[in-house]
Amino acid sequence: AQSVTQLGSHVSVSEGALVLLRCNYSSSVPPYLFWYVQYPNQGLQLLLKYTSAATLVKGINGFEAEFKKSETSFHLTKPSAHMSDAAEYFCAVVDGGYQKVTFGTGTKLQVIP
Amino acid sequence: NAGVMQNPRHLVRRRGQEARLRCSPMKGHSHVYWYRQLPEEGLKFMVYLQKENIIDESGMPKERFSAEFPKEGPSILRIQQVVRGDSAAYFCASSPPGGLKDYEQYFGPGTRLTVT
Repeated sequence: AQSVTQLGSHVSVSEGALVLLRCNYSSSVPPYLFWYVQYPNQGLQLLLKYTSAATLVKGINGFEAEFKKSETSFHLTKPSAHMSDAAEYFCAVVDGGYQKVTFGTGTKLQVIP
Repeated sequence: NAGVMQNPRHLVRRRGQEARLRCSPMKGHSHVYWYRQLPEEGLKFMVYLQKENIIDESGMPKERFSAEFPKEGPSILRIQQVVRGDSAAYFCASSPPGGLKDYEQYFGPGTRLTVT
């Protein structure tokens, strides 16, 4: 079964600092990987997705993620944090050929002024 | 093009009552997924439906929960005889015919159920 592990349920960064949110996946087949963002009391918004094309994926709001097969990782980064980035971030994986999405437990990002 | 719509956005029920949550997928989408998000937890898959068919209900509790997606109208998630542990945010997602486009699902804003 597919799974993703997000290291760190809470991450705090200073405004302007690098954002790094970690995600490792387990998959026996090439995975499809996603990062979603959830603002308080709202639904999930897709940030970016990896679908076996380029290993470095650029998303919205200046975020990007790199698929590293050797490390089974798909970490999310942003060079400079903005106050508006404060939210909860979910990594997710889909088993190729099947519709079921498995989400990580989420990482809450706090941005300190 | 309207996104995935869910209603109500907030629902309060007393223990023992029934809760009905509605989800209208994006226009042209025929696949619907329901997820539950308990406080301080991630989203857990509940059920995957296509029009008039339940494809995968492996995440649904065995009792009191049911889901449908009729030929006409929204998808309904029904919880009978609610208990306090059912308090959560319930999210619906949809995808177009033929499955997920690049395996992407489009999420609604969620229904927050509070059981008192």
